[in-house]
Amino acid sequence: QLVQSGAEVKKPGDSLTISCKASGYRFSSFWIGWVRQVPGQDLEWMGIIFPADSDTRYSPSFQGQVTISVDKSITTAYLYLSRLKASDTATYYCVRTDLATISLGAFDLWGQGTKVFVSS
Amino acid sequence: QSVLTQPPSASGTPGQRVTISCSGSNSNIGSNSVNWYQQLPGTAPKLVMSRNDQRPSGVPDRFSGSKSGTTASLAISGLRSEDEANYYCSSWADNLNGWVFGGGTHLTVL
Repeated sequence: QLVQSGAEVKKPGDSLTISCKASGYRFSSFWIGWVRQVPGQDLEWMGIIFPADSDTRYSPSFQGQVTISVDKSITTAYLYLSRLKASDTATYYCVRTDLATISLGAFDLWGQGTKVFVSS
Repeated sequence: QSVLTQPPSASGTPGQRVTISCSGSNSNIGSNSVNWYQQLPGTAPKLVMSRNDQRPSGVPDRFSGSKSGTTASLAISGLRSEDEANYYCSSWADNLNGWVFGGGTHLTVL
């Protein structure tokens, strides 16, 4: 399963790190990524990382604005958001792909979501 | 505007069969498989169909999937009230080197 850190309230310009603790499977063998859902809107894939070698891919929409990392020793993935804006208000989900071949994978495990509210 | 196109809503009565479509292009659905996710209100999405037509363990066989060209479909037969949810399609996009999603279809069980 994937268990995420709790809800956050931030001000514009702040930074934030969301964590995602994985358990019950071989952490290094599956891609783990992040999906954003703005309230009432659809899902957006942000990026993904392969824990075994830290190979990381970002959506062009989020490249340069977020950083994804892992700590294999504690089977945890992280999403770092910098210079937050009101438009970053959303629920952020961590996800696992079910295959090592990235383009064939489906998101078979989802975290419970972390709600982030950004307001002055 | 989402890369993959889904109807915003669909509906059916209990016991009926409903189909949700997902339209893309050659760079996504046309050359890659499609996955479907169900999102109940206030919860995280759940995978209900992978790689066009593979049902994950635990998903009822009332759910089926298909793909032809640049369009995919999710069918739900024997509709039940607990099927009322938002459904999202997703596919790998070669031109973006990542996944794209549809805008979601809200299924109402009348």
